[in-house]
Amino acid sequence: ELKVEQNPLFLSMQEGKNYTIYCNYSTTSDRLYWYRQDPGKSLESLFVLLSNGAVKQEGRLMASLDTKARLSTLHITAAVHDLSATYFCAVDPAGGGTSYGKLTFGQGTILTVHP
Amino acid sequence: ETGVTQSPTHLIKTRGQQVTLRCSSQSGHNTVSWYQQALGQGPQFIFQYYREEENGRGNFPPRFSGLQFPNYSSELNVNALELDDSALYLCASSLGGARYEQYFGPGTRLTVT
Repeated sequence: ELKVEQNPLFLSMQEGKNYTIYCNYSTTSDRLYWYRQDPGKSLESLFVLLSNGAVKQEGRLMASLDTKARLSTLHITAAVHDLSATYFCAVDPAGGGTSYGKLTFGQGTILTVHP
Repeated sequence: ETGVTQSPTHLIKTRGQQVTLRCSSQSGHNTVSWYQQALGQGPQFIFQYYREEENGRGNFPPRFSGLQFPNYSSELNVNALELDDSALYLCASSLGGARYEQYFGPGTRLTVT
């Protein structure tokens, strides 16, 4: 059974600081997703990582994937209050063409950015 | 191009009742997946439909069932509701295949009393 673990689960940051959220998973996969969720809302796609060594950046967020270590990171640079949300990583286990899309999610990291 | 829509937005049911949730996929998407997100947890995969056939199921009992229609819209049915079924139910549609991202709908908040 695929397990996806995020840490930390709670992250309180000061504005302007940098931090990293880690996502470890237990089985082979070459595709990993990061999502943001605001309270009471649906999931907003942040990054799609489809190969070993993939790195993507959008604004103050940068995500990377190391499939050999089964590890993805979400790095936050110079945090601002608007980044406060819950962040999920999700792994799509390897499979055939019609088997994709059955995501296993981590527990989520609740990020709070303070002035 | 319209996004993924779900209905209703919220509903309240009593334990033992049955409920049907609906999802309209993004235009052209032939694959839909349903997820259950309990409060404070990550979403859990319920099942997936591809071209009207079930294409994989998570660890959910048979009282959770689904349908996908020729226009690729979808339903999630839950029978004999239990208190623990209270959750946000999300559907996600995609083009299917190896490299296509899923797009999530806004969700239906189900409360079972």
